[in-house]
Amino acid sequence: QQNVQQSPESLIVPEGARTSLNCTFSDSASQYFWWYRQHSGKAPKALMSIFSNGEKEEGRFTIHLNKASLHFSLHIRDSQPSDSALYLCAGNSGGSNAKLTFGKGTKLSVKS
Amino acid sequence: AQTIHQWPVAEIKAVGSPLSLGCTIKGKSSPNLYWYWQATGGTLQQLFYSITVGQVESVVQLNLSASRPKDDQFILSTEKLLLSHSGFYLCAWSRQVSNERLFFGHGTKLSVL
Repeated sequence: QQNVQQSPESLIVPEGARTSLNCTFSDSASQYFWWYRQHSGKAPKALMSIFSNGEKEEGRFTIHLNKASLHFSLHIRDSQPSDSALYLCAGNSGGSNAKLTFGKGTKLSVKS
Repeated sequence: AQTIHQWPVAEIKAVGSPLSLGCTIKGKSSPNLYWYWQATGGTLQQLFYSITVGQVESVVQLNLSASRPKDDQFILSTEKLLLSHSGFYLCAWSRQVSNERLFFGHGTKLSVL
């Protein structure tokens, strides 16, 4: 059974700051990991994914995966007010492609 | 382009009453379909998934049931609502290959009183 923990629960940063969000998972057999972003009252939307150890960058967003330490992170460079949202990490569980377990999320507020 | 439509947008129901929520996906054949539930301030929790018509797998037991009567339709229901059923219900689809992202519908906000 996959257990996904996110930290911090909430975060307030000034515009232009570098933001780091963390996620730890329990199922060492997990194969793929996602970050989703959910603006208030809206549906979550996929942000980025990674399937092997290492780093992946897309624009201002970088994700990092370390399967040995069961750790997964998201870094936002030059944070903008529009980045304010709930950030959810997710990993598959039980070796299944269809079972995805989400963390509780980190609520990010970027103040201008 | 694929579209996902959920109905209704919101519901206010009495404890003990029945419930039926629906979801339709257009523009994609044989998608994987999912139901998720998010309590206020809570974790997004997977309830059911389906990889083909007529087959539904339950992930957690919450006195809810799901059915997939057509390739593009996913239904979530219960005969008797509980207070604990309140929350945000999200339908999602993904392609039937490994490691594919979920595309969520706009969700249904359910209040059980």
